[in-house]
Amino acid sequence: DGGITQSPKYLFRKEGQNVTLSCEQNLNHDAMYWYRQDPGQGLRLIYYSQIVNDFQKGDIAEGYSVSREKKESFPLTVTSAQKNPTAFYLCASSYRVEQQAFFGQGTRLTVV
Amino acid sequence: GIQVEQSPPDLILQEGANSTLRCNFSDSVNNLQWFHQNPWGQLINLFYIPSGTKQNGRLSATTVATERYSLLYISSSQTTDSGVYFCAVVTNTGNQFYFGTGTSLTVIP
Repeated sequence: DGGITQSPKYLFRKEGQNVTLSCEQNLNHDAMYWYRQDPGQGLRLIYYSQIVNDFQKGDIAEGYSVSREKKESFPLTVTSAQKNPTAFYLCASSYRVEQQAFFGQGTRLTVV
Repeated sequence: GIQVEQSPPDLILQEGANSTLRCNFSDSVNNLQWFHQNPWGQLINLFYIPSGTKQNGRLSATTVATERYSLLYISSSQTTDSGVYFCAVVTNTGNQFYFGTGTSLTVIP
């Protein structure tokens, strides 16, 4: 089944802990993105990658880190430096940035 | 950066009614998409429409790139159309999507 898979769907984390969110795609897309959505708000870009082994910061990258070692995978680590990590995180991919993007189902992260 | 504004912010419709959602953007774009965010949070692709007009069932969309706006038409609305509708754009010189603030649609039976 082709598409973008995010896991886990729900994640609880203790304050001060790092946590990694998974994003995998089998669409052979070059570009991948991570967005954050807070309740009642739009989406804000955290990081994006246009090619393997390369990525750029988005508008709200502080407290987050990513890697792009494989074309199919773009994991996001929420570090303890992120002051307000509780949010809904969405991953997306596209062949090129000017082409159609597709989103995963999202991960809801709650810090307890 | 580019400004993306959607209107109206909230819309309540009776089932069967028609509606028009608008997306205005402040710069030239080479990518514009409309999404529907369902109650579970997933973003469903509706249209990839950097210019022109497309139709898919009860939904259609028009983008007038030279005038920097796009419209999403929903006809004969159903309760399952409820949710938040986002437009997202990429500028001609950019390499990321910018999302509008969304239109929250509620369709009542």
